[in-house]
Amino acid sequence: EVQLVQSGAQVKQPGKSLTISCEGSGDTFGSYWITWVRQMPGKGLEWMGRIDPSDSYTDYSPSFQGRVTISADKSTGKSYLQWRNLKASDTAIYYCAAFLRHCTYGVCLNSYLEFWGPGTRVIVSS
Amino acid sequence: DIVMTQSPDSLTVSLGERATINCKSSQSVLYSPENKNYLAWYQQKPGQPPKLLIYWASVREYGVPHRFSGSGSGTDFTLTISNLQAEDVAVYYCQQYYTTPMCSFGQGTRLEIK
Repeated sequence: EVQLVQSGAQVKQPGKSLTISCEGSGDTFGSYWITWVRQMPGKGLEWMGRIDPSDSYTDYSPSFQGRVTISADKSTGKSYLQWRNLKASDTAIYYCAAFLRHCTYGVCLNSYLEFWGPGTRVIVSS
Repeated sequence: DIVMTQSPDSLTVSLGERATINCKSSQSVLYSPENKNYLAWYQQKPGQPPKLLIYWASVREYGVPHRFSGSGSGTDFTLTISNLQAEDVAVYYCQQYYTTPMCSFGQGTRLEIK
């Protein structure tokens, strides 16, 4: 089983930068990709992007491209979500989730989010 | 982009009764070569992260009680919770993972006990 531990809650001012982290562990963690999901207050789940920690290959949702940076450090098993210019609208809980890429008939497709971190609450306020 | 629409937005069911949540995708999430529906269900209890309940539309995740079942194919799916328990109070989300790289979630259905 994979366990995901996320960094603690953050309160930041608009315009500031922020990096939050997600650390994975478990026997098979090295095979898993990491997805980041946003949940704004009282709202649903939004897919932000994903990363393959083995080579840092990354995809972004068009809604988040250019607003955040997803990265990973294979040696530490950590993935990061970074902002350079926070806005009040970034106030949310951010979850990381792990999935195994599903490859079939010569094509690698998406997959369900099998393991979830506890979330990091980010508050952006002046 | 595939849009996922759940119904109802909320429902109230008595203990021991059955709850039914529907999820409709704007296009089919059935991958024909595999005959698999790329559809998952998650449960999110207050103050907790989402938890995977069902994947491939009908496969129960390990440890999930048998009262949870998923059905459907193509564009129409259902999560059924039989013999509703107090601990089932949560928001339930469907998710399609047919498209890559992006997946998409339904807006969520809030389940409460009558």
